[in-house]
Amino acid sequence: QKEVEQDPGPLSVPEGAIVSLNCTYSNSAFQYFMWYRQYSRKGPELLMYTYSSGNKEDGRFTAQVDKSSKYISLFIRDSQPSDSATYLCAMSRVTGRRALTFGSGTRLQVQP
Amino acid sequence: SQTIHQWPATLVQPVGSPLSLECTVEGTSNPNLYWYRQAAGRGLQLLFYSVGIGQISSEVPQNLSASRPQDRQFILSSKKLLLSDSGFYLCAWMEAGRQETQYFGPGTRLLVL
Repeated sequence: QKEVEQDPGPLSVPEGAIVSLNCTYSNSAFQYFMWYRQYSRKGPELLMYTYSSGNKEDGRFTAQVDKSSKYISLFIRDSQPSDSATYLCAMSRVTGRRALTFGSGTRLQVQP
Repeated sequence: SQTIHQWPATLVQPVGSPLSLECTVEGTSNPNLYWYRQAAGRGLQLLFYSVGIGQISSEVPQNLSASRPQDRQFILSSKKLLLSDSGFYLCAWMEAGRQETQYFGPGTRLLVL
């Protein structure tokens, strides 16, 4: 079983829809949770990160962490065609291995 | 501000040839550095990471090696490329002591024929 599971999609939505992207994980030691956006043939771009449980909002994006369920989400409101990309979740421990563990990414297509 | 560079951007190499990919970071000191490979439509596979000059941790035994000759320089190498080495290679950096903000370079697309 992978440490981080993410549905690969593709997820296709109409412009203006609310998008929900999710990851589940198995390692309870993870404390930092990140979301990256990757456009085709480009490097991943850090969108936002959260520490431990709770919500964090940045413009149209909201990240949510439920540590009791080992489940994290990224919500995109008023989705735009420019949001079409692959979204990768990532997580890490507070101490120990100085590296992130990534999900395999969900491909999102926002139809105009 | 910090900037991360990778080159070359694309590379086409024959099987059995050597490889050298370079990554440099500007605007920070003593960063943690990482090499990832991403196969088409797949997630990121961590290959190597380094917490300091000459300190390399290998995540997956394979045909590749990494070196960190200078504080902000990270090199990925191979003596003889295999077809399976084709992919998108990404370098990333993270501030030492941090665990939540890793930044990626633009990547190198390698095709081994």
